[in-house]
Amino acid sequence: AQSVTQLDSHVSVSEGTPVLLRCNYSSSYSPSLFWYVQHPNKGLQLLLKYTSAATLVKGINGFEAEFKKSETSFHLTKPSAHMSDAAEYFCVVSDLPGGYNKLIFGAGTRLAVHP
Amino acid sequence: DAGVIQSPRHEVTEMGQEVTLRCKPISGHDYLFWYRQTMMRGLELLIYFNNNVPIDDSGMPEDRFSAKMPNASFSTLKIQPSEPRDSAVYFCASSFGQGAGYTFGSGTRLTVV
Repeated sequence: AQSVTQLDSHVSVSEGTPVLLRCNYSSSYSPSLFWYVQHPNKGLQLLLKYTSAATLVKGINGFEAEFKKSETSFHLTKPSAHMSDAAEYFCVVSDLPGGYNKLIFGAGTRLAVHP
Repeated sequence: DAGVIQSPRHEVTEMGQEVTLRCKPISGHDYLFWYRQTMMRGLELLIYFNNNVPIDDSGMPEDRFSAKMPNASFSTLKIQPSEPRDSAVYFCASSFGQGAGYTFGSGTRLTVV
């Protein structure tokens, strides 16, 4: 079965410093992977997605993620954190075999950004 | 496009009452999903539809929960009778095709007292 593990439940960074949110996936095939962001009391917004094209995926708001099959990882990065990046981030894998379009969410990583 | 539209945004009801949550997906999207989010359990998929047909309802917690999609532009999630443990934020999402990312609605915050 497909699954994702977000290695940190909380990450705290200073404004202007790099962001790294870690995600490992488990899949028996080449998966589709996504990162979603949820700001407080808001819905979820798609940041970026990987669907077997380029392994380095650029998303909105300066975020990017690199698919590394050998490490089964899909870590999310940003060179310089902004206060508005404070939110919860979800790593997600798509359960494709069998004709499903079912997304499986990680537990989430809460990012805090300090001045 | 206005995105995925959910109503109501907030619902407070008494235990035992029937609750109906509504969702309008993005026009042209062929998949619709209902998720529940709680602090304890995170995001849980309750049910999803493809072309208005329920495909997987294994996440529906119990018979008190039911979902329908009478046409491509409307879906409901009903809880009858409601219980305090149903308190959560319920999200609807839609997508086009397989492997596509979802577009989420803003959610319905349900409080059962």
